[in-house]
Amino acid sequence: QVHLVQSETEVKKPGASVKVSCRASGYTFATYYMHWVRQAPGQGLEWIGVINPSGGSTSYAQKFQGRVTMTRDTSTSTVYMELGSLRSEDTAVFYCARDYSGVSSMVAKGNFDFWGQGTLVTVSS
Amino acid sequence: QSALTQPPSASGSPGQSVTISCTGTSSDVGAYKFVSWYQQHPGKAPKLMIYEVTKRPSGVPDRFSGSRSGNTASLTVSGLQAEDEADYYCNSYAGSNIVVFGGGTKLTVL
Repeated sequence: QVHLVQSETEVKKPGASVKVSCRASGYTFATYYMHWVRQAPGQGLEWIGVINPSGGSTSYAQKFQGRVTMTRDTSTSTVYMELGSLRSEDTAVFYCARDYSGVSSMVAKGNFDFWGQGTLVTVSS
Repeated sequence: QSALTQPPSASGSPGQSVTISCTGTSSDVGAYKFVSWYQQHPGKAPKLMIYEVTKRPSGVPDRFSGSRSGNTASLTVSGLQAEDEADYYCNSYAGSNIVVFGGGTKLTVL
């Protein structure tokens, strides 16, 4: 059974960075793309970026370029999303989501079949 | 990388059908058969309901169906039930491993 377990709630001050983790189990970690999506309070879903767990290559939404870094640790089947220069508008629940598309397809199609439980990141002075 | 356009709200009575639209451009929805739909209940993670425009994951009722015409994709919920009341989001592949979401539609079952 596929499980994505994320790290706990974070409270950060403006200007700081946050690193959220997502540990995968129940499938072969390196064979499926992993995305990060966020949802501000009362707002919609916003795509942040994707990582290929096999080679570590990434693609980020233009909005987050230069401020986000996604990495992975294949030894622990964990992906990480680090967001820097935090501001109050970054307060949101951050989700990792597995892409149904395998990395062998070479395309991260955006079919998110399994989601983590979400990590609340609060940015406040 | 602009967000896809969805109506903010939709509604229908039990047993009726309702269709939610998702409008993009010739660079995303119109270019690729990679449109997905998600259902989200309050306080919960989203759930995949439709992928690749028309396909239904195992376990999703066949009351949910997807289609696409040009730059607009649609989700139709037939035989509305009380538990269908939720927020619905579309997303689309936009090339170069970029994904865009719609703003979401709140579906109310009257």
